[in-house]
Amino acid sequence: GENVEQHPSTLSVQEGDSAVIKCTYSDSASNYFPWYKQELGKRPQLIIDIRSNVGEKKDQRIAVTLNKTAKHFSLHITETQPEDSAVYFCAASKDDYKLSFGAGTTVTVRA
Amino acid sequence: DADVTQTPRNRITKTGKRIMLECSQTKGHDRMYWYRQDPGLGLRLIYYSFDVKDINKGEISDGYSVSRQAQAKFSLSLESAIPNQTALYFCATSDPRRRTYEQYFGPGTRLTVT
Repeated sequence: GENVEQHPSTLSVQEGDSAVIKCTYSDSASNYFPWYKQELGKRPQLIIDIRSNVGEKKDQRIAVTLNKTAKHFSLHITETQPEDSAVYFCAASKDDYKLSFGAGTTVTVRA
Repeated sequence: DADVTQTPRNRITKTGKRIMLECSQTKGHDRMYWYRQDPGLGLRLIYYSFDVKDINKGEISDGYSVSRQAQAKFSLSLESAIPNQTALYFCATSDPRRRTYEQYFGPGTRLTVT
């Protein structure tokens, strides 16, 4: 099955700085890559996703890039704010329903 | 607002007991999922269902069973609970008719097996 590795496991950034989380996947047939954010004690929520026919997607301060050749994708958060503190999960899928998740990255934004 | 709900929210049970976790949704979605979350392991798919008559095993189905009683209800059972099934369990839904493949998660059930 699909194996998704996510790095780093923890990330501390100064407010206003950028944060980058990287994921690699093993199955070259994967074509859908969502990112979920889970605030403390809350449910995971989709923040951005990308399909394999697109190399980059941006939504305000967040962006995702995909390198199919290298089988890795990344989440970029610019101008970080305290409300960006959360656990972020990447996932990969070769259909639109069976998601394989990474282990998660705990992001802490320091004021 | 249309939502995904889970009951109970917290449960402590003993080894060997049978326990059922319930999920209901008012989103009108056909697809429903059960995941477990463990620290350092992310979310892992246990079972998923496309409709009442279509239920499929996920990545880690051993020790679990499910029932899709209606389009809106999907239950997860642990026939004989063991301590390593202590985890946070999430139900989720999605709608393949939408242009997005987003999965909508419930609030979670924290299960402790002693």
